Amino acid sequence: QSALTQPASVSGSPGQSITISCTGTSSDVGGYDYVSWYQQHPGKAPRLMIYDVSNRPSGVSNRFSGSKSGNTASLTISGLQAEDEADYFCSSYTRSTVVIFGGGTKLTVL
Amino acid sequence: EVQLLESGGGLVQPGGSLRLSCAASGLTFGSRAMSWVRQAPGKGLEWISVISGSDATTYYADSVKGRFTFSRDNSKNTLYLQMNSLRAEDTAVYYCAKILCSGPTCSHWNFDLWGRGTLVTVSS
Repeated sequence: QSALTQPASVSGSPGQSITISCTGTSSDVGGYDYVSWYQQHPGKAPRLMIYDVSNRPSGVSNRFSGSKSGNTASLTISGLQAEDEADYFCSSYTRSTVVIFGGGTKLTVL
Repeated sequence: EVQLLESGGGLVQPGGSLRLSCAASGLTFGSRAMSWVRQAPGKGLEWISVISGSDATTYYADSVKGRFTFSRDNSKNTLYLQMNSLRAEDTAVYYCAKILCSGPTCSHWNFDLWGRGTLVTVSS
């Protein structure tokens, strides 16, 4: 099963909003409301930012939001800050392998 | 602060074995469901195994099934990943990750705590 498709990179200026897409199939993203997003700074552990499409764990800023339409999920970061610069991975439940991840997107804050 | 710490990575020849450990501070593994996830250099993440909280049932990705064994020692509050018959494609950073649970209900596709990982390099 192929990984979920994410853009390799996105960028934005401080204060702007950016959206990262995550495209799968009806067997994963499109079939379940079980998409998650993780933030990873270089050399650090991944951090759960969004789970089950649009839920934020305690402690995650409300500048981070998630949504889904069909086979594509999206992570939106509003009011971009320098500290948001990191790699972002999406994941989805899939019956065949429990969970499948995207290839990751590098966010650059200009 | 609750943390996970992986160890045991290193350089191993193809066909060799390694045992990774995952220790926790501020957290008791007890009957928690946990997973291992890996990330090959420059690549995305790959889920490889889960151990259930209730009866320590394990499941594996096809890529490691029959070669890797996930176990836990509650007396040492430590998880283990025994990796045998290692291949070059197993080269990756290996993370242990805690599965998100709300009361008795766990979502095995969500990981709310990760370690920093340990690097395994399979090469001759």
